[in-house]
Amino acid sequence: GESVGLHLPTLSVQEGDNSIINCAYSNSASDYFIWYKQESGKGPQFIIDIRSNMDKRQGQRVTVLLNKTVKHLSLQIAATQPGDSAVYFCAGNQAGTALIFGKGTTLSVSS
Amino acid sequence: DARVTQTPRHKVTEMGQEVTMRCQPILGHNTVFWYRQTMMQGLELLAYFRNRAPLDDSGMPKDRFSAEMPDATLATLKIQPSEPRDSAVYFCASGLVPGETQYFGPGTRLLVL
Repeated sequence: GESVGLHLPTLSVQEGDNSIINCAYSNSASDYFIWYKQESGKGPQFIIDIRSNMDKRQGQRVTVLLNKTVKHLSLQIAATQPGDSAVYFCAGNQAGTALIFGKGTTLSVSS
Repeated sequence: DARVTQTPRHKVTEMGQEVTMRCQPILGHNTVFWYRQTMMQGLELLAYFRNRAPLDDSGMPKDRFSAEMPDATLATLKIQPSEPRDSAVYFCASGLVPGETQYFGPGTRLLVL
């Protein structure tokens, strides 16, 4: 079946470093992708999204890159801060229907 | 600041009891989703509605779970009878289009003893 998956379940970085979280998807018909951040005890929070007609989109300290050739997207967080510690999920739509979520990468930021 | 609300936030119950979880989507959002999150399975889609009509409930155990939208401001998820394996965090999310941005509520943490 179709899937969206993250490459690493955990990522540890130092405060101030740049973080890169990777995600792969299987459905070449997916045309919308989104990243969520989930802090402990809270619901997933929207970070940034990208449509398949784009390769890159930037937000505040975050950048999402989409490589449709290899079905890969990444979330880059610049100057990572302790407050960025959370679980990050990528998700892609399933031919215009509901989003499929990956398992999540736990980002730990040490100061 | 528009947000999805869910009640109750926490629920502890005994096996066999009925559990009802409620969700108020963001005003104007016509698509509502129910998810279950566990450590083992991650975030699982249980069911979703568009304009109050169920579009897909294939992720939901049909024998004990039911989801409804009595009106545009209320979605409910019921478990009857509840079992210990139903212990999880249940999230509601709402959006404008099924395959695009969804906004999540804070979740209902359910523990079935």
